[in-house]
Amino acid sequence: KNQVEQSPQSLIILEGKNCTLQCNYTVSPFSNLRWYKQDTGRGPVSLTIMTFSENTKSNGRYTATLDADTKQSSLHITASQLSDSASYICVVSANAGKSTFGDGTTLTVKP
Amino acid sequence: SAVISQKPSRDICQRGTSLTIQCQVDSQVTMMFWYRQQPGQSLTLIATANQGSEATYESGFVIDKFPISRPNLTFSTLTVSNMSPEDSSIYLCSVSNDRDEQYFGPGTRLTVT
Repeated sequence: KNQVEQSPQSLIILEGKNCTLQCNYTVSPFSNLRWYKQDTGRGPVSLTIMTFSENTKSNGRYTATLDADTKQSSLHITASQLSDSASYICVVSANAGKSTFGDGTTLTVKP
Repeated sequence: SAVISQKPSRDICQRGTSLTIQCQVDSQVTMMFWYRQQPGQSLTLIATANQGSEATYESGFVIDKFPISRPNLTFSTLTVSNMSPEDSSIYLCSVSNDRDEQYFGPGTRLTVT
């Protein structure tokens, strides 16, 4: 069964600090892994998308890594801002198949 | 990327009534999906909206409860029928392209009283 597990479930950090969110998956055959940011009451917004051959991708202060051998990904947020407070969702797609969603990590950035 | 709009953005409805949500995309897309996100939970796929044919529903979702239309490659509707408080959720339209990039609309927040 395809699964995506994210950790931690929630995280509180101080403004300006860095943090790393984790995503482990068992989706096979692998097509791509995407990280989304979802503000409360809004739709998810794409941060990064990585295919099998990519092991890192950056989008501003967001850097995602992918280890296809261990089936792990991380999302690193640098110099956090209050506006980073949101839910971060890891989504993994199988070849020509549906997407499997993680439950998300809720990040709270405090001043 | 695709720009997706949804109408309405939110609504409060009485139980037993129905609500139709519209999804408009700024470009032609092959794949369109409807998701539900209940409070505090991740997204659950309701169905894949097929252009010109009946939608493909996921386990636990049926056409009588969630009829879907997709008359062309840029537009789809989802109706939530005979609503109950358990249908209170955010409903999201989503599209994907041939590179498996998936985009989401802003969502429709539905509250059933």
